[in-house]
Amino acid sequence: QKEVEQNSGPLSVPEGAIASLNCTYSDRGSQSFFWYRQYSGKSPELIMFIYSNGDKEDGRFTAQLNKASQYVSLLIRDSQPSDSATYLCAVNQAGTALIFGKGTTLSVSS
Amino acid sequence: EAGVTQFPSHSVIEKGQTVTLRCDPISGHDNLYWYRRVMGKEIKFLLHFVKESKQDESGMPNNRFLAERTGGTYSTLKVQPAELEDSGVYFCASSQDPSGAPPYEQYFGPGTRLTVT
Repeated sequence: QKEVEQNSGPLSVPEGAIASLNCTYSDRGSQSFFWYRQYSGKSPELIMFIYSNGDKEDGRFTAQLNKASQYVSLLIRDSQPSDSATYLCAVNQAGTALIFGKGTTLSVSS
Repeated sequence: EAGVTQFPSHSVIEKGQTVTLRCDPISGHDNLYWYRRVMGKEIKFLLHFVKESKQDESGMPNNRFLAERTGGTYSTLKVQPAELEDSGVYFCASSQDPSGAPPYEQYFGPGTRLTVT
C-alpha cells in the first residue's frame, strides 16, 4: 500500500515567521513530489514541485527532498495570513496517479 | 490559457438516482485524471485517461461508476445508481505527455461537490 504521511496540524505560526511542513512517503519508486495548497472549499493549487535531491526555491517557498530518507518538506518564509490553508503533499511516478497525504492545516496569525 | 473546468459545481441527488459529472481538461493535455475526496479522508485516485483510452482504472470503487472520454477531449463520470457513500468532492486533473523528463505535474479543476441523500 503506497502511502503519504503528513501531520494534520494545525500548525500555527505568527506572521513573518517560517512555517515548516513535512511529509514522508512509502514508495521508493516515486519520482516527482508536489506541494498543493488548498483553501477551504477550493481546488488544490500546485505551488511547488521537486524531483531531485536537495532544495528548490521559488520566492518565499523552498521545497526540500531527501530520497534516501523518503522525506519531503516545504518551508514558507515570511509567512502571511493569506498563507493560511491546507497544504497537501503528493507523489507519483511518471504520468501516474498522484498519491496524496491528508494535508497539514497552516494558520498564520497577524 | 483556460484551466481545467468541471460541471456542475454542486449536485444533490437522492439515493438510487443517476448523476453525470463533466470535466474539460486544459487544451492540449492528453492525460486526464479523476480523483475523489470523501469527508475526513485524503484525495484518492479513481482513474486515468490517455487521450480516449483508459490507462488505469484501479481506483474505481465499483461498477456503479462509469467514465468516458470520447474523442480524447472532455470526460464524463457517471454514477448509477448513487449510494450515500458516494458523497464527496470529485476532482478532475490534467497533465501533458509524461513521456519526457519529470515532474509530470497535474493541474486540478474546481471540483464537483456531490451530495447523495
